[in-house]
Amino acid sequence: QVQLVESGGNLVKPGGSLRLSCAASGFSFSDYYMTWIRQTPGKGLEWISYIGGNGDTAYYSDSVKGRFTISRDNAKSSLHLQLSGLTVEDTAVYHCARLVYSNGWYHFDYWGRGTQVTVSS
Amino acid sequence: SYELTQPPSVSVSPGQTASITCSGDHLGDKFVYWYQLKPGQSPLLIIYEDTKRPSDITERFSASSSGNTATLTISGTQPLDEAHYYCQAWDKSAVFGGGTKLTVL
Repeated sequence: QVQLVESGGNLVKPGGSLRLSCAASGFSFSDYYMTWIRQTPGKGLEWISYIGGNGDTAYYSDSVKGRFTISRDNAKSSLHLQLSGLTVEDTAVYHCARLVYSNGWYHFDYWGRGTQVTVSS
Repeated sequence: SYELTQPPSVSVSPGQTASITCSGDHLGDKFVYWYQLKPGQSPLLIIYEDTKRPSDITERFSASSSGNTATLTISGTQPLDEAHYYCQAWDKSAVFGGGTKLTVL
């Protein structure tokens, strides 16, 4: 069965950096776009980044562009998100999710439980 | 930017039918997706492409979409259905509604 397990979340000071990882299993990892979505009590869900199956395509929301970098290691079935220049507004639970293509559009068919990132001085 | 609006909360008695709405400009022209979020669990896709249900999702969940509003319906609501529900559609990127907390009283 499809499993996505995030790790790497932590408490970090404003301006700091962090690297999140997502271990995938149960499917052919390289065949799928993968994405990061963050969840906050105040703002709900926010889609922040995706990466193509072979890593050649990436998207970032305006809120993280220039500060976050998505990457993947298909040999290890792992997805990563490098966070830098963190602010308190980046405090959230970060979920990785699989994107599946259907009828001209994508949706997020499997998600991980998430990893907590807290930015505080 | 495109926005989806959901009621912050909906309450329902066990066994009754709950309806959660999601509104956006010309939403009926887009596919709508619904996700269930429970604390400490992986978010769950419960509806895709307006009305389709993944094979492992109970038939008690159904949905519709027309005009500017999509509606998620939960029939025979059970305590285990208590969760946050989010609608999602695509504009220039994925857009989520603000989420609705379903309380089963």
